[in-house]
Amino acid sequence: KAGVTQTPRYLIKTRGQQVTLSCSPISGHRSVSWYQQTPGQGLQFLFEYFSETQRNKGNFPGRFSGRQFSNSRSEMNVSTLELGDSALYLCASKGQVQETQYFGPGTRLLVL
Amino acid sequence: AQKVTQAQTEISVVEKEDVTLDCVYETRDTTYYLFWYKQPPSGELVFLIRRNSFDEQNEISGRYSWNFQKSTSSFNFTITASQVVDSAVYFCALSEDIQGAQKLVFGQGTRLTINP
Repeated sequence: KAGVTQTPRYLIKTRGQQVTLSCSPISGHRSVSWYQQTPGQGLQFLFEYFSETQRNKGNFPGRFSGRQFSNSRSEMNVSTLELGDSALYLCASKGQVQETQYFGPGTRLLVL
Repeated sequence: AQKVTQAQTEISVVEKEDVTLDCVYETRDTTYYLFWYKQPPSGELVFLIRRNSFDEQNEISGRYSWNFQKSTSSFNFTITASQVVDSAVYFCALSEDIQGAQKLVFGQGTRLTINP
């Protein structure tokens, strides 16, 4: 089975712009979660989607949003980028309830 | 709130030494899952092990072993006869289940360097 894929792998944006990141889960997995990793805050949960519905949300401002499509692929969007949004954004997919989350390679976002 | 503490920020050992990474967690849930992930320089989190709160059996997988003790809320990870390829950042995580949705709470990670 192919693993979780994320595109693009690297992005450079400037403050005020918006960005969309994409995640394709492992085939058959219906849950997709997003995490932000920064040197200062570590790994933090952003949100989880299951069957096109957001099931859980972390403590992030409304500039961070996401969605999931009928094929379980997910996108996350960050509007009005700030310097502090520079991070590695990791996507993870999961099968049945309580199964393990498997992570993709991440998207490294640099905001200038 | 759930919390995971990895007190060791960095560990450096010489190849073939044994090394233990500590993980202490806090939760009010009676049912929870604990995980260890490895993050090599490429950035991807690689799943190593999952343990549920009802299973306190220790586990061994090759050179890796895990010691889960509910009495001390610890889930420690030992690498025996370490190798240079074990160099990475290791994360311990706790799952919080909210009405079927799973959120992982991570520790700050331990950067492990194995020197030849």
